[in-house]
Amino acid sequence: EPEVTQTPSHQVTQMGQEVILRCVPISNHLYFYWYRQILGQKVEFLVSFYNNEISEKSEIFDDQFSVERPDGSNFTLKIRSTKLEDSAMYFCASRGQRDQPQHFGDGTRLSIL
Amino acid sequence: EDQVTQSPEALRLQEGESSSLNCSYTVSGLRGLFWYRQDPGKGPEFLFTLYSAGEEKEKERLKATLTKKESFLHITAPKPEDSATYLCAVQNTGGFKTIFGAGTRLFVKA
Repeated sequence: EPEVTQTPSHQVTQMGQEVILRCVPISNHLYFYWYRQILGQKVEFLVSFYNNEISEKSEIFDDQFSVERPDGSNFTLKIRSTKLEDSAMYFCASRGQRDQPQHFGDGTRLSIL
Repeated sequence: EDQVTQSPEALRLQEGESSSLNCSYTVSGLRGLFWYRQDPGKGPEFLFTLYSAGEEKEKERLKATLTKKESFLHITAPKPEDSATYLCAVQNTGGFKTIFGAGTRLFVKA
């Protein structure tokens, strides 16, 4: 069964540095998402991406964040000038059509020191 | 504002003891309600989509139902391997984002 893959599984970064989290969505999917889950808290929507542009973003997704689909298979989340509070699990998801369920990767655990 | 509230926060069952998890939601227009299972250190795993009040879906020991204000996930004769966090989420008709509840942590003891 096709799946969403995320790399790395764990990223440790010094505060103030930039990180890029990578995702390979399911190949024929059209909609792409990033979510974060701070330890012990709920899954929070960050951004959705469709037709090579951001379709919706949350108030969390400020100028510190950016997304890109640099080729036909990868989808990346860049976090500039990381802060301690950016420490969380970041999940990528993709879906085929808009009312179909999203399929999630197993996440990247981001630890900011 | 779209909201999802799940109860209880945690549920401890004996193997074979059936029960239900609740998801109450407020959404401007419901495109779909989703149930996911999440194991520790893993991403949410899709279980069901419900689109309209009165709809029901079943998979093995799980059955999901939907009304205009809430959804239930019924677990019949659970086994220890059903232990996980169960997440409810909604998507509204106007946007792209999905709003998650905080989940119900289910523990099933043999």
